[in-house]
Amino acid sequence: GESVGLHLPTLSVQEGDNSIINCAYSNSASDYFIWYKQESGKGPQFIIDIRSNMDKRQGQRVTVLLNKTVKHLSLQIAATQPGDSAVYFCADVSSNTGKLIFGQGTTLQVKP
Amino acid sequence: GAGVSQTPSNKVTEKGKYVELRCDPISGHTALYWYRQSLGQGPEFLIYFQGTGAADDSGLPNDRFFAVRPEGSVSTLKIQRTERGDSAVYLCASSFGTLNEKLFFGSGTQLSVL
Repeated sequence: GESVGLHLPTLSVQEGDNSIINCAYSNSASDYFIWYKQESGKGPQFIIDIRSNMDKRQGQRVTVLLNKTVKHLSLQIAATQPGDSAVYFCADVSSNTGKLIFGQGTTLQVKP
Repeated sequence: GAGVSQTPSNKVTEKGKYVELRCDPISGHTALYWYRQSLGQGPEFLIYFQGTGAADDSGLPNDRFFAVRPEGSVSTLKIQRTERGDSAVYLCASSFGTLNEKLFFGSGTQLSVL
């Protein structure tokens, strides 16, 4: 079946350190992946996306890595800041269904 | 510019009542989505509109749930005979039109059914 999930429910990092949030997916037909950030009381906010024909994409302080062989996705945040504290969701779109499916989320806590 | 607007931000109702949740998408966005998010979970897909028509309503849990978008802009999610299990945050999102690409979400409506 199709599922998108995250390896750890909570990640705690020191301010200034790099953060890595991981995600596994099961659907081989998934061809588009997105990371969202959700702060308390707000809707998910788009961070970065990647298509299945790429294995790496960089944004401002964020990098997404895609390993299709093991169906693994990761989000790297450089020099983590207190404002990065939030729940992070990976989501995928499969060519089968065309629907965006979210995982359960990882809570990132940044310690000052 | 204005983002996706959802009203009300909070709705408390009694079991068995009817509720309507409103979504104003970003101007010019032809695709509109409704998701439901329970505490500690990721958003779950409910329904997707392309223009005025529901292109995919496979996520609606049962026939108590219905959504409309009569003029291709504002959408209303309607829930009849509410149950306590319907309590959740209902999120609306919109995009330029390509299915599921770069969805922009509203802040959601927190629905509490007592």
